[in-house]
Amino acid sequence: EPEVTQTPSHQVTQMGQEVILRCVPISNHLYFYWYRQILGQKVEFLVSFYNNEISEKSEIFDDQFSVERPDGSNFTLKIRSTKLEDSAMYFCASSEPRGSRPQHFGDGTRLSIL
Amino acid sequence: KNEVEQSPQNLTAQEGEFITINCSYSVGISALHWLQQHPGGGIVSLFMLSSGKKKHGRLIATINIQEKHSSLHITASHPRDSAVYICAVRYGKLIFGTGTRLQVFP
Repeated sequence: EPEVTQTPSHQVTQMGQEVILRCVPISNHLYFYWYRQILGQKVEFLVSFYNNEISEKSEIFDDQFSVERPDGSNFTLKIRSTKLEDSAMYFCASSEPRGSRPQHFGDGTRLSIL
Repeated sequence: KNEVEQSPQNLTAQEGEFITINCSYSVGISALHWLQQHPGGGIVSLFMLSSGKKKHGRLIATINIQEKHSSLHITASHPRDSAVYICAVRYGKLIFGTGTRLQVFP
């Protein structure tokens, strides 16, 4: 069964550095999402992306964050000038283009900011 | 603002027991998801439903739109069912509950 893959599985970065989290969505999916889960807390929506543009973003997704689909397969989340509070599990998800379809999640990238 | 409440927060069961996890939400939605989060952190989508009932193996999900309530049932529970079960509602974006941690002991 096709899967959403995320790399790396764990990223350790110094505070203030930039980090790029990578995702390869399922190939025929056209809707892409990033979510964040701080340790011990619930999953939170960050951003949705469709047709090469952001379709919705949360209040968390400020100017520090950006998303990009640099080619036909990758979907990236960039965090500029990371802060300690950016430490979390980041999940990518994708869904089919037809109507309201279930989202398929990757296994997540654990980001640790030191 | 849509709030998603799950109960119970923690649940322990003996193998073979029937499990019910509940989810309530506060405003109208287009769909509700049940997700399973493994101890390693990965998330698997179990069900997406907007009305009625769905069944997959030993898992059953129901939703009552009028009462803004959904339940996830696990029949003949097994230790491998141990995970966090998360309810998420589609209100434009997905809004997640805090999850129910289930432990099934042999």
